[in-house]
Amino acid sequence: RKEVEQDPGPFNVPEGATVAFNCTYSNSASQSFFWYRQDCRKEPKLLMSVYSSGNEDGRFTAQLNRASQYISLLIRDSKLSDSATYLCVVTLYSGGYQKVTFGTGTKLQVIP
Amino acid sequence: DVKVTQSSRYLVKRTGEKVFLECVQDMDHENMFWYRQDPGLGLRLIYFSYDVKMKEKGDIPEGYSVSREKKERFSLILESASTNQTSMYLCASIPFSGEQYFGPGTRLTVT
Repeated sequence: RKEVEQDPGPFNVPEGATVAFNCTYSNSASQSFFWYRQDCRKEPKLLMSVYSSGNEDGRFTAQLNRASQYISLLIRDSKLSDSATYLCVVTLYSGGYQKVTFGTGTKLQVIP
Repeated sequence: DVKVTQSSRYLVKRTGEKVFLECVQDMDHENMFWYRQDPGLGLRLIYFSYDVKMKEKGDIPEGYSVSREKKERFSLILESASTNQTSMYLCASIPFSGEQYFGPGTRLTVT
């Protein structure tokens, strides 16, 4: 089983739609969770951190479910500019350093 | 703002050449990482370093080495470049809080 798994997509959704991505992780000791956005041929950029209590940033909502070991990202009212690949990231601090594991990404295409 | 810079955006090298990719961060982060990214495979960790002169192998270290002589600089070395090392190489640095800051990437082509 992969340490971090994502549905690669692509998710093709119309403008204005709501779309949700999930990401599962295998190590229950994982401590920090993030969603990154990566545009074509660019580096990943932090979209948002994910907290147990859930967090929201405008049209984006991230949730963490520790019991089931998954994180989710919800995008409401999709815009064309949301088209990108979304990567989930799980980190674990152990032995003096951060172990960071990326999912392979979920591709989102928002269509007019 | 954290800034992570990489020495080249695009690089073309010949098979067998020794290749140096440099990464510099300006935020005094202890942890630095080198990844490669290939279509369908996502980001794969090559090496990381959690302190000066310290290094750890990632998931795919074969054919690569690294150097961390100063805290702000983490170099990736391809001892003898091969065509299967054609890829996008991304450097990242990370504070204790865990989020990664990436450089712009180096697109390396080995012919």
